[in-house]
Amino acid sequence: GQSLEQPSEVTAVEGAIVQMNCTYQTSGFYGLSWYQQHDGGAPTFLSYNALDGLEETGRFSSFLSRSDSYGYLLLQELQMKDSASYFCAVRGRGNTPLVFGKGTRLSVIA
Amino acid sequence: AAGVIQSPRHLIKEKRETATLKCYPIPRHDTVYWYQQGPGQDPQFLISFYEKMQSDKGSIPDRFSAQQFSDYHSELNMSSLELGDSALYFCASRGGTSYEQYFGPGTRLTVT
Repeated sequence: GQSLEQPSEVTAVEGAIVQMNCTYQTSGFYGLSWYQQHDGGAPTFLSYNALDGLEETGRFSSFLSRSDSYGYLLLQELQMKDSASYFCAVRGRGNTPLVFGKGTRLSVIA
Repeated sequence: AAGVIQSPRHLIKEKRETATLKCYPIPRHDTVYWYQQGPGQDPQFLISFYEKMQSDKGSIPDRFSAQQFSDYHSELNMSSLELGDSALYFCASRGGTSYEQYFGPGTRLTVT
């Protein structure tokens, strides 16, 4: 089976940096994806790591350590619009579906 | 750029009724996934299709069925609806060697 763990909630101040962690237990791991979802909206792809290390896309960075079965999403220069749920998801081989964590609800406060 | 289209966006049904949700993937995407997301929950995989053939099956109830048609659009058919079926239903598509799944806006199903 596959399981992912994420903190349920995080609160951070506008302009600050926040890190959201994800640990996973899975077989057939091919990569870790991150999705953002605003209330009532669709999950939107943010980042993907197949190999160890850091991937950077603008204000968003994602890190993966395959040996530790651990990853995180880093958001810099937080904005109010970043308030949303952030899901990590494990990708298996080929066309297999994503397995999502329970998500971390980020609240950005002034 | 074209996105995944889902219809209807909102649907209200009564218990024991049937519902059909439609999904139109991004052109040239060969894989379609259906997910169900309850309030405050993560998306749960239901079923997927690759090149019009069922590819993987998740926690899809026997009351539900799905298919992908020759034009690659997909339909999720839901019968004997229960209150617990109230949720957001997302379709996602993926193409070629890309690892990214593109999600549609979802259909919000309310069963009363």
